[in-house]
This record gives sequence, C-alpha cells and structure tokens, in this order.
Amino acid sequence: EVQLVQSGAEVKEPGESLKISCKASGYRFVTHWIGWVRQMPGKGLEYMGIIFPGDSDTTYSPTFQGQVTMSADMSTSTATLQWTSLKASDTATYYCTRRGDKSKGMDVWGQGTTVTVSS
Amino acid sequence: QSVLTQPPSVSGAPGQRVTLSCSGTSSNIGAGYDVHWYQQLPGTAPKLLIYGDTNRPSGVPARFSGSKSGTSASLTISGLQAEDEGDYYCQSFDTRLSGSDIFGGGTKLTVL
Repeated sequence: EVQLVQSGAEVKEPGESLKISCKASGYRFVTHWIGWVRQMPGKGLEYMGIIFPGDSDTTYSPTFQGQVTMSADMSTSTATLQWTSLKASDTATYYCTRRGDKSKGMDVWGQGTTVTVSS
Repeated sequence: QSVLTQPPSVSGAPGQRVTLSCSGTSSNIGAGYDVHWYQQLPGTAPKLLIYGDTNRPSGVPARFSGSKSGTSASLTISGLQAEDEGDYYCQSFDTRLSGSDIFGGGTKLTVL
C-alpha cells in the first residue's frame, strides 16, 4: 500500500526551530515529487512547494520562498519541512503529498502534522 | 484571495445533482493546465477526486465528474449523498507565480 506517514503534532514557542517529516512507503520514493500544503485553522489549502527526491530539485511557492526549507533523504524515503524561527502565524496543519507529473494531481496525502506556535 | 475562484458554499438535497465551479484566468486554467479536484471530509486529510480535468482515480464513484471549458472548470456530483458533505478544492498550475501550483479557496458542500 502506498502511504505517506507524517510525524506527530508539535507545540513550539515563537522563535524556535522545527523540522517535521513525511515517510513514504509502498512505492519508489525517487520517482515522484513530494509537495507540502498548509492549512491554517478553519481555512483552505495553500500550496507551499514541491521537491523531487531523486535530485532534490525544489520549487517554492512565492509566499513560502525563504520562509521554509524542504529536503528529502533517499536513504530513508523521508521528506522534511523545516523552519529556523517559527512565528505564531505558522500555526497550521501541514500535509505532505505525492505527485507524479502535473497531469496526475496529488494522488496520495499524509495524515497531516499540526503545528502550534504559542508563547 | 485565491487565484482560482470557488463559491464559498453550495448546498443540495440527497439525490440531487450539484455543480461546483472553479474560475481561473489565462495564466492557469485558460492556458490549458490540468485541473484537479480534492475532497476534504470533516477532520480528515484531502483526497484526490478528479485529476487531469476529467479523470477519476480508482475507487472514486462514477457520480463524481469533472469538466473544463475556457478559463473555468467544474465538478459535478450526481445523486448527492449525506457522506459527500465537506470541502472541495480545485487545483491547477499558474505561470504568473514563478510557475507554481495553486489551489482555489474551496467550496463547502452542505447536504440538506
């Protein structure tokens, strides 16, 4: 079964750093893009960016460029999303997704990681 | 404000047919980029419902269908069921935003 399993919920204070993960199984990790999507409380989906694990080619949505860093580790089939200095406005649920080519959409979704940033 | 415009809410009675719209521009849907639709039921992760404008992934019931014309796309649900209640998002690609995927703002579907 193709799956993306994300790391657990996090509670952090403003200014702290954070890395959340997304472990892929059931398919060849290096053959599909991994995208990240933010959903703030009570709001819609926002596309953050995408990474190709095979060569770490990464594209960020302009909104998130410079705000987060995406990476992928082929040896563990794990993608990560990290922040160096969290803000309260980063409070949201973050989903990782699998995408083949653009015509196929995001066909597999992780269960989501809820990040709460509060002092 | 999302680049792809969706009505905030739509409602219908069980058994009815409802159509959800997704309006774009010449830099996304109108440029020929594929439109995908996602269903997010309460408290769950989104799920791919339609890909490549009109295609249903395996396991998605045939009462869900997609179409596209010009700068707009639509998702039609025939034979509405109570378990269809949730949020629906369209997604495409936009050349203006440094070449980035984009989501619509989402439509909340209420089954009366």
